[in-house]
Amino acid sequence: DAGVIQSPRHEVTEMGQEVTLRCKPISGHNSLFWYRQTMMRGLELLIYFNNNVPIDDSGMPEDRFSAKMPNASFSTLKIQPSEPRDSAVYFCASSLGDSFYTFGSGTRLTVV
Amino acid sequence: KQEVTQIPAALSVPEGENLVLNCSFTDSAIYNLQWFRQDPGKGLTSLLLIQSSQREQTSGRLNASLDKSSGRSTLYIAASQPGDSATYLCAVMDSSYKLIFGSGTRLLVRP
Repeated sequence: DAGVIQSPRHEVTEMGQEVTLRCKPISGHNSLFWYRQTMMRGLELLIYFNNNVPIDDSGMPEDRFSAKMPNASFSTLKIQPSEPRDSAVYFCASSLGDSFYTFGSGTRLTVV
Repeated sequence: KQEVTQIPAALSVPEGENLVLNCSFTDSAIYNLQWFRQDPGKGLTSLLLIQSSQREQTSGRLNASLDKSSGRSTLYIAASQPGDSATYLCAVMDSSYKLIFGSGTRLLVRP
């Protein structure tokens, strides 16, 4: 397995634009997590899915953020409209039950 | 609400030294505790996972312990090497399978 795959690796966009981050979890994993990492706040859990169903989205900062998981092999995190304070590294991770998490390489988002 | 704290925030040691990184958590109702390594600009790499019923796990020069009742874990690195330089993150898995992370310890091993 190629691991958790995220795209794009880097994204630079202008304030107000829509941004879509993508994630392909490891085949067979039933949980998927979106995290955001900044220097100030560290790693924050935004939302997680179990068997493609959103379980806890309490970490999503505002209504500008939305996430979907239409099937077991794909998830998106969308920010619309984007703001400079959304600049961060966004990680996707997947796991099976209480096993190890496997993280993707992350998407570095810069909103100017 | 589960909170995870890591001490120290940064550590600089000479090569060859044994060292201990500390992690504490406020809620003992956890499934497991995981240690990760993160290199600058990279993702997270899993190092060790200790189930709530276990006391320790070992992998090569790494040994992690867990005292669930006191809410503490330590990561012991033996005979440190410059290649061990990275940020080490502790995370606890709560009852809903979410991982809650500490802020990390930034380690520098000087040649």
